[in-house]
Amino acid sequence: AQSVAQPEDQVNVAEGNPLTVKCTYSVSGNPYLFWYVQYPNRGLQFLLKYITGDNLVKGSYGFEAEFNKSQTSFHLKKPSALVSDSALYFCAGTSGAGSYQLTFGKGTKLSVIP
Amino acid sequence: SAVISQKPSRDICQRGTSLTIQCQVDSQVTMMFWYRQQPGQSLTLIATANQGSEATYESGFVIDKFPISRPNLTFSTLTVSNMSPEDSSIYLCSVEDGDRAHNEQFFGPGTRLTVL
Repeated sequence: AQSVAQPEDQVNVAEGNPLTVKCTYSVSGNPYLFWYVQYPNRGLQFLLKYITGDNLVKGSYGFEAEFNKSQTSFHLKKPSALVSDSALYFCAGTSGAGSYQLTFGKGTKLSVIP
Repeated sequence: SAVISQKPSRDICQRGTSLTIQCQVDSQVTMMFWYRQQPGQSLTLIATANQGSEATYESGFVIDKFPISRPNLTFSTLTVSNMSPEDSSIYLCSVEDGDRAHNEQFFGPGTRLTVL
């Protein structure tokens, strides 16, 4: 069975500092990995995805994520955090082409402190 | 990307009643999905709805409790039947990106359901 883990329930970071939201996965085959963000009282918004190719993936709002196969990780990063980045972040994965069943992590609440 | 709307955005319902949630997409899509997000929890897939066929339910979810309709390629409904307080959740529909090989899903804004 596939699983996605987000080991941190909450991450606090000062505005302007770099941020990292961690994600590890256990997915059979070649994984497809995604990051979504959920702002209060809103649906999920797609940030970025890793399918294949370059391990460093760039997405919306200045976010990027690095796929590390040896560590089975897909951490979300941003060089300089904004207060407006404060939200709930979900990592999700599926076992590759032809599979539509997304498995979500439990979510990490990011708080950017002014 | 597809634009997805859901109705209602929120509702407060009495135990034992049923609520039907609508999901409308601005383009034709093959696959639509229904998720539940319980308070403080992650998203759990309820079922997959393809037009012209019966919905496929995940383990722990049954058609009698969560009947789904998919009458065309832009619309789906999820009914939460005989509700109890444990059904209080956010219910989200999503659609898969047109390029199925990439599995990217886009989500509606969700329906926040409270059962008293």
